[in-house]
Amino acid sequence: AQKITQTQPGMFVQEKEAVTLDCTYDTSDQSYGLFWYKQPSSGEMIFLIYQGSYDEQNATEGRYSLNFQKARKSANLVISASQLGDSAMYFCAINDQGGKLIFGQGTELSVKP
Amino acid sequence: ETGVTQTPRHLVMGMTNKKSLKCEQHLGHNAMYWYKQSAKKPLELMFVYSLEERVENNSVPSRFSPECPNSSHLFLHLHTLQPEDSALYLCASSQDVNPGGFSSYEQYFGPGTRLTVT
Repeated sequence: AQKITQTQPGMFVQEKEAVTLDCTYDTSDQSYGLFWYKQPSSGEMIFLIYQGSYDEQNATEGRYSLNFQKARKSANLVISASQLGDSAMYFCAINDQGGKLIFGQGTELSVKP
Repeated sequence: ETGVTQTPRHLVMGMTNKKSLKCEQHLGHNAMYWYKQSAKKPLELMFVYSLEERVENNSVPSRFSPECPNSSHLFLHLHTLQPEDSALYLCASSQDVNPGGFSSYEQYFGPGTRLTVT
């Protein structure tokens, strides 16, 4: 069975600085996908970035990049130039052979002005 | 409207009530999902529908009854709920689901219905 571990319940970062949110995963599948979602206080889950297990390059989407280390089974999210609007819960997820998403516990990010 | 919408956004119901949650996606997707998000717990997948056919039922109690009349609409019918069922219920859709195979399709979520059972 797949599992996602996010070890940082809460993180603080100064506005305009970069922050890394940790995610490790466990799977026996050869093919899988890793996702990061942002959940503001409004509740909606917003898709941020995707990394496929066979992608050779780390995924990037604007200020978001994924530091994918397959051998270590980690898929850390890096947010550059943090903004106040980045304050939210961040969830790492992996999908299994059936396409289901398995989510981690989440990390609450607070951006300080 | 665009994306995935859910109504109502907030719902308070007694344990003997019957209510329904509604989800609608305007993305032309074939797959829809119900998730439950309780405080301090990861999102839990409840049901998966692909082209109106249920492909996953994650050991959910029978007091939760899903309905998918077409690929754009998904309902969650609630009856005789318990206080521990109070949670945020999130609906999501994706382009497709490939049972038995790997899918890279990201899921798009609605804003959720915050349910309180008294």
